[in-house]
Amino acid sequence: GAVVSQHPSRVICKSGTSVKIECRSLDFQATTMFWYRQFPKQSLMLMATSNEGSKATYEQGVEKDKFLINHASLTLSTLTVTSAHPEDSSFYICSARVFGTGGYEQYFGPGTRLTVT
Amino acid sequence: DAKTTQPTSMDCAEGRAANLPCNHSTISGNEYVYWYRQIHSQGPQYIIHGLKNNETNEMASLIITEDRKSSTLILPHATLRDTAVYYCIVIGVLTGGGNKLTFGTGTQLKVEL
Repeated sequence: GAVVSQHPSRVICKSGTSVKIECRSLDFQATTMFWYRQFPKQSLMLMATSNEGSKATYEQGVEKDKFLINHASLTLSTLTVTSAHPEDSSFYICSARVFGTGGYEQYFGPGTRLTVT
Repeated sequence: DAKTTQPTSMDCAEGRAANLPCNHSTISGNEYVYWYRQIHSQGPQYIIHGLKNNETNEMASLIITEDRKSSTLILPHATLRDTAVYYCIVIGVLTGGGNKLTFGTGTQLKVEL
């Protein structure tokens, strides 16, 4: 299957600072990328959907000014958590969708563990 | 998208087949059944998907009932590395940007010696 990478895999930052997480599709061009968040012992929650070159679409309850998404190319999307607070500590997972032999397929990155102190 | 119901947890002996059920009684005719799994602290991994015919790949088999109201994911020879949360998702055909994959609570499969 196609490979999606994320960087960094884990990050610790101080409250009030901003953190950028990169998501790359390594061997394919993604038509759409998605960002999810997962708190301990909970399921994945979709945060936003982004298409290359256009503004991201955020799910209800997700602050677009706090979680900035940039989708500059077909292989790279970034999520910036601005003015991070301890409650933003979570596991952030990106996902990329591509048109494959069986139609559209969606693959996930390994996740980024964010801890805000 | 149709809702799904899965058992919270299941146990399986290593080497035996793991059969994970999923109920999706409100599925509509153009909705697919997708299975993903998530090993602890990793991103979800695609397993298989199907519309109405049974499907098999190198990872698993997907059996969908004739009325499409339920399905079973079969791991033919479970290993310890198959311990994970398994998600059954019913969704219309994936398009370029629409039809978003949303995850329920899934089934925690524990494979034991």
